[in-house]
Amino acid sequence: QSALTQPASVSGSPGQSITISCTGTSSDVGAYNYVSWYQQHPGKAPKLMIYDVTNRPSGVSNRFSGSKSGNTASLTISGLQAEDEADYYCNSYTNSNTWVFGGGTKVTVL
Amino acid sequence: QVQLVQSGAEVKKPGSSVKVSCKASGDTFSSYAVSWVRQAPGQGLEWMGGIIPMFGATHYAQKYQGRVTITADESTSTANMELSSLRSDDTAVYYCARVDYRGTNINTGKFDPWGQGTLVTVSS
Repeated sequence: QSALTQPASVSGSPGQSITISCTGTSSDVGAYNYVSWYQQHPGKAPKLMIYDVTNRPSGVSNRFSGSKSGNTASLTISGLQAEDEADYYCNSYTNSNTWVFGGGTKVTVL
Repeated sequence: QVQLVQSGAEVKKPGSSVKVSCKASGDTFSSYAVSWVRQAPGQGLEWMGGIIPMFGATHYAQKYQGRVTITADESTSTANMELSSLRSDDTAVYYCARVDYRGTNINTGKFDPWGQGTLVTVSS
C-alpha cells in the first residue's frame, strides 16, 4: 500500500487561506469517507483535526475544514495563524482492511 | 475521557525484539480498536497494524507482516506491539492510537486519542 500523496510544503501569510491536498486511489480515498487529518507540532503526538472527510471534533477551530472529490481529499485552513504552523497528515481506510497515511505537509506561516 | 499511556524508551541491538505497551484509562478499552503508527526521525507517519481487543482481530500492513505482533489484554486495558528482527532503520517513535470501531466495523475513521509515543533506538 503506497502512502497517500501530499505536497511537501505549503505556506501562507497570517489571515490567508491555504489548502492541502491528499491524493489516493479508488482503493482508499476514493472508496471510503474514512479520511481524517492530523496536526503534529515538533516533538508532539499527532492531533485529530478532521475525521470522515468533513467532520470536526469538538475543540478544533472552525477555521479547519475538509472536503473530498474523487480520489483527492483536501484540508483547508482559513484565517491562517502562527499557531497553525505544523506538519499535517491525511489518513484513509483502504480496501485491504488497512489504513494508510499521507507523506505529510509542512505548513509555514510567513 | 480516555487516555493512552505508553511504556518508556527502549534501546535495542540489531536482530533483537522490542515490545511496546499502551495502557488505556478513563473509558472502556475493548469496544474500540487500537492501531500502532510509527515515525522514523524526520519522516512521516506510517500505519503498522491494529487490533480489535474484544475479538482479538488483527490487521497488519503488508510491510510488517511476519515481523510485528499486536496483542491486547482486556483485563488490564493494555495493547502491545512487538517488533522482531530489529534493524537500524526501525529506530523511530512508536505511537498507539484508539480507532473508533463498533464491533468489527468502523464507526468513524478517528484516530483519537494518541499515546505520548515511545522512542525505540536500534543500535549496536
